[in-house]
Amino acid sequence: GENVEQHPSTLSVQEGDSAVIKCTYSDSASNYFPWYKQELGKRPQLIIDIRSNVGEKKDQRIAVTLNKTAKHFSLHITETQPEDSAVYFCAAKLEYSSASKIIFGSGTRLSIRP
Amino acid sequence: GAVVSQHPSWVICKSGTSVKIECRSLDFQATTMFWYRQFPKQSLMLMATSNEGSKATYEQGVEKDKFLINHASLTLSTLTVTSAHPEDSSFYICSARAPGYTEAFFGQGTRLTVV
Repeated sequence: GENVEQHPSTLSVQEGDSAVIKCTYSDSASNYFPWYKQELGKRPQLIIDIRSNVGEKKDQRIAVTLNKTAKHFSLHITETQPEDSAVYFCAAKLEYSSASKIIFGSGTRLSIRP
Repeated sequence: GAVVSQHPSWVICKSGTSVKIECRSLDFQATTMFWYRQFPKQSLMLMATSNEGSKATYEQGVEKDKFLINHASLTLSTLTVTSAHPEDSSFYICSARAPGYTEAFFGQGTRLTVV
């Protein structure tokens, strides 16, 4: 069945250092991979996404890479800041002929140490 | 981006009662909406896909008779938790895709506490 695995579950980095979160997916029908940031008690906010025909995408301090062959994708945050502290979720969208749905990874709690 | 509004933001109900949660797309029409449940410190688990004008599609393990979904218009989907029990206490979030967008937009979530 569809599954998205995410590692690590918690991550603590020094302010200014980089953070990397990795995800793997099981269904080869997945064609869209968004990353969400969720602060406590709030809705998930899309921070970056990548489609299956692209290998890498960057937006300022945030980048995402995708390896379709290996079925894994990663989030990279450089020059981390205290406001980057949150829970991050990767997700994969499965597209079928009559429907589509987004499956989330288990989440990574990122803490930035001052 | 598109705006999805969820109501109420939080609700406390007695065990055995039913609670209705609304999800509205404010500036676009959504033929499909999604309902997720999130327990503390856990991920968003897809419960069901709500289709306007037809029956919802439930994920494996989700009781359709307990979690009633109605998508009567292109801007409104409702989730009713029937005969709520304390173990139903959770954060329920809806999302919808707007025309022209690939990503899903989330409502602000509803924190349900069953006492």
